[in-house]
Amino acid sequence: GQNIDQPTEMTATEGAIVQINCTYQTSGFNGLFWYQQHAGEAPTFLSYNVLDGLEEKGRFSSFLSRSKGYSYLLLKELQMKDSASYLCAVMDSNYQLIWGAGTKLIIKP
Amino acid sequence: ETGVTQTPRHLVMGMTNKKSLKCEQHLGHNAMYWYKQSAKKPLELMFVYNFKEQTENNSVPSRFSPECPNSSHLFLHLHTLQPEDSALYLCASSQQITWDRGQGELFFGEGSRLTVL
Repeated sequence: GQNIDQPTEMTATEGAIVQINCTYQTSGFNGLFWYQQHAGEAPTFLSYNVLDGLEEKGRFSSFLSRSKGYSYLLLKELQMKDSASYLCAVMDSNYQLIWGAGTKLIIKP
Repeated sequence: ETGVTQTPRHLVMGMTNKKSLKCEQHLGHNAMYWYKQSAKKPLELMFVYNFKEQTENNSVPSRFSPECPNSSHLFLHLHTLQPEDSALYLCASSQQITWDRGQGELFFGEGSRLTVL
């Protein structure tokens, strides 16, 4: 079966750095997405990785290792507004999106 | 504001009621989706439309019935639902779905929170 694993919940301190991991086992691979979802709001696109390596976008970076079936989302200089759920999703060989259950990130002052 | 608007935001219905969820996108996209989001579970894809044609129906019970009259509007008609259908129903859109690139980035609405009594 196809599976995406990410931690259920993480806690971090304002101003710090946090890394949210995502491991996947899918039938083929056509890219990995990260979305952010604030409570009661729409998920919004953060990043897309299809090649190995690190993609940096301001305070957020996303890393992919296809050989290890692994990605992480790195958030730097954490702000209170970064408290949200972070969803990892992999596009399989049939271009179907396989979703993780999401990681709830709690930022403390 | 994501460009995808869902109404109503909250809906409470009995098991014998008939109601509809509405989604409208103002992004000029050609693909639209219905997802079910339950607490601590992955998003479940329900229905997909690409250029108004239904391309996906992921074994969804017939008590859920989609309708896509044009590329900007998507409905989910609900009837004789069960309490386990209570969830957040998310609509999304994307530019289009192609055989060689899939669907690309999704733009989600804020969802319709459904409670079935």
